[in-house]
Amino acid sequence: GESVGLHLPTLSVQEGDNSIINCAYSNSASDYFIWYKQESGKGPQFIIDIRSNMDKRQGQRVTVLLNKTVKHLSLQIAATQPGDSAVYFCAENSGGSNYKLTFGKGTLLTVNP
Amino acid sequence: DTAVSQTPKYLVTQMGNDKSIKCEQNLGHDTMYWYKQDSKKFLKIMFSYNNKELIINETVPNRFSPKSPDKAHLNLHINSLELGDSAVYFCASSQITGVGEKLFFGSGTQLSVL
Repeated sequence: GESVGLHLPTLSVQEGDNSIINCAYSNSASDYFIWYKQESGKGPQFIIDIRSNMDKRQGQRVTVLLNKTVKHLSLQIAATQPGDSAVYFCAENSGGSNYKLTFGKGTLLTVNP
Repeated sequence: DTAVSQTPKYLVTQMGNDKSIKCEQNLGHDTMYWYKQDSKKFLKIMFSYNNKELIINETVPNRFSPKSPDKAHLNLHINSLELGDSAVYFCASSQITGVGEKLFFGSGTQLSVL
């Protein structure tokens, strides 16, 4: 489980609700963004990505929205399930052609049955 | 059939020791990475190799030396371990998609320096 004093932003939702996880990115020149999910004891797992020339991209139960004006990225999860409980990270490519993903702080999502 | 595998999963050692973490990917990717995740879950890139060649070195102390014998392997050797090196170290490899570059991560090596 998570250690005490992790100081991660947290989001707690009921099973079946929709979840929205927000992320502010730092580099206005970043051209590519990814959302990752990290379950306890595992490595980050790719969820969905989006390029800076798009403002919305949909996957299965997930949607990523990009607002370049305010440098904001969000991940929407529809009909959240207990298996969605994890830490979610946004990441931006700030390295141009030398892809260098810079990760955000992470948000802990807890889904209550 | 694990795509990115790293060993060992846990590593407990004394300050001052030298240790290595191994990583292998069977995805045929050209680029591999090492990331460090601290106790607050913050993930930071350390190194990136493309086809055995170092392309990113993020001001990591030179006690950390990555070695890539071939493009499927990227090992991390750490000399003179310090307490602050305690963290989870993730290896990753990447694939260029139609949108960008997608990283596949290993399951991590939890390093504890006592």
